Amino acid sequence: QVQLQESGPGLVKPSETLSLTCTVSGDSINNYYWSWIRQPPGKGLEFIGYIHYSGTTNYNPSLKSRVTLSIDTSKNQFSLNLRSVTAADTAVYYCARSHGLWWGQGTLVTVSS
Amino acid sequence: QTVVTQEPSLTVSPGGTVTLTCGFSTGAVTSGHWPYWFQQKPGQTPRTLIYDTDTKHSWTPARFSGSLLGGRAALTLSGAQPEDEAEYYCLLVQGGSWVFGGGTKLTVL
Repeated sequence: QVQLQESGPGLVKPSETLSLTCTVSGDSINNYYWSWIRQPPGKGLEFIGYIHYSGTTNYNPSLKSRVTLSIDTSKNQFSLNLRSVTAADTAVYYCARSHGLWWGQGTLVTVSS
Repeated sequence: QTVVTQEPSLTVSPGGTVTLTCGFSTGAVTSGHWPYWFQQKPGQTPRTLIYDTDTKHSWTPARFSGSLLGGRAALTLSGAQPEDEAEYYCLLVQGGSWVFGGGTKLTVL
């Protein structure tokens, strides 16, 4: 069965770029759509965006100006870049696969100087 | 921007039945919105219980079921257990974009 694992820095400074990578095993990234979801401490879930290996993307309108998703089929990985972060971007970031929505375990990213 | 609404909190007695709902502030939910339901316990990753309105994962207890009810997506828990106490989130796909509901805190008491 598919497994997803997020990786990246746990601490990012304000105004900098948050970068995370999700490594997929047990499935080809050439199938389905691959997404990022976040959850601020004590709050609900928020859709960030998804990407298809064809290059199709869809972003949350509230984050669209700061987000870029990319995909590397050779490594079976996809990535998130979130620019100009503030403390409001502190959250657990999850990567996930569509169709059944399989979740990674999540990684906490704190924005602080 | 699309808003998806859920009951903020519900309480069910052990062994009882409860229905959680999920919908748009305007307009009905259909199967074309591919409703999802997730369970999240404190400190844990969300777990997908239901997708595509009523499809269960292999790990989804039989007491959970998904449906459409009165223009909303619904998650029915029949025979509630203490371990079902959790936050439940829904997700709807609108115009290709994903929108989460605010969550329902379910208490089994």
